[in-house]
Parts: sequence; structure tokens; C-alpha cells
Amino acid sequence: ETGVTQTPRHLVMGMTNKKSLKCEQHLGHNAMYWYKQSAKKPLELMFVYSLEERVENNSVPSRFSPECPNSSHLFLHLHTLQPEDSALYLCASSTTSGAVYEQYFGPGTRLTVT
Amino acid sequence: GQNIDQPTEMTATEGAIVQINCTYQTSGFNGLFWYQQHAGEAPTFLSYNVLDGLEEKGRFSSFLSRSKGYSYLLLKELQMKDSASYLCAVRGPGGGYNKLIFGAGTRLAVHP
Repeated sequence: ETGVTQTPRHLVMGMTNKKSLKCEQHLGHNAMYWYKQSAKKPLELMFVYSLEERVENNSVPSRFSPECPNSSHLFLHLHTLQPEDSALYLCASSTTSGAVYEQYFGPGTRLTVT
Repeated sequence: GQNIDQPTEMTATEGAIVQINCTYQTSGFNGLFWYQQHAGEAPTFLSYNVLDGLEEKGRFSSFLSRSKGYSYLLLKELQMKDSASYLCAVRGPGGGYNKLIFGAGTRLAVHP
């Protein structure tokens, strides 16, 4: 168990649905991340929150909307997705002090858009 | 631009040694990570290099040459459980959080 949990683990949604992914970390970290992992492609950083403030938004389409209500919780709100958005969505957390900033990943949500 | 290259697939025999290479061209460098990811699971941290040289941690070692934009992960005494994808990631500049650029990963298959 890595200390980072994600729900749901699997999600199938239609293109007109609205759904949310949830991430929770129990490690006392204060930076949280969303990544997208598509088959045979590199992990893509989507959003970063540091001290509950969004500090990175890597040109992600507006149909993905992140929310970080506190340093332990992170959400990714999804609406009107496209089939190419089907992927594994990984959440991670890290400290914001020290030298390494090692990231701990959650198990991911496998999203299928039909 | 940002570019991280690593071989797509490798195979090796149980008990052997394997070296997984990673080359990078990035705008800014603030350290290099190696992660292991078993199929269907989360990536887990293996090593971090920010200075040139070799870092050894049990059966795994990681090497960095910043002047050459090159790193490798060395796995000794391979075990079947080492079959996984190995991800190389470069940390960009900036403080307070990680801005990691990942390679596509190297899928390692260990055979008896």
C-alpha cells in the first residue's frame, strides 16, 4: 500500500456523462499531481497542486477540471470526454521540502470512454 | 524540446545482470528518477540521481552523466518479480514540487 488511494479503480462513461475521479493521500504531503498514462506513451503530467494552489496546467483540455479542496484530497472532474481520453489516470503526491521530492503514486483509475 | 529515450523492450535471464539506458534532452535539469511499474499497478520509486556517478541500492544501481545526458539502471541477480516496466523521468527546474518528464518506459521480461 503506497498511502495514496484512488477511486474508482475502473470507470466506463459515455461521452455525454459527467463523472469525478477522487484521490486521497495519507502521507502528510502538500503537493498533488494528476497524470495520464496511455498505452505505449509516456506518463503525461496534467495538473500540479502545491500547498492547495494549482501551479501547473499542461495545456489540458477544459473537459478535465481539477479540484484540490485540501492538501489530502484531489479530484478530477470529467465532462463531455472523447474516446481518445480513455487511459489510466494516476494521482501522485510529494513533499514540498527537502531535496528529492519523491513522488508516491496511487493505483490509478482505468477510464474507458464509449 | 523535451525528449527522453529508452528502449521499448528488453529480455533477460533469471540470475543475470541487465542495464537499461536512458538518454535525455530537456530544457533544464534538476535530477533524474527511475521508477518501476508492474502491469496494472502504480509506479514505485527506485532511485534518484542529481550528481554524476553511481548510486547503489541493493540489487539496483543507477548511474548519471549530466554532460552526456545519459543515465542507466543496472539490475543484478535478476528475479522473476523484476519483470516490469522501468520508467526514466527527468525533473525540470523549479522548486517546491516535481515537474517530471517521463520516458515511455522499458518493458523488461525476465525468463527462467
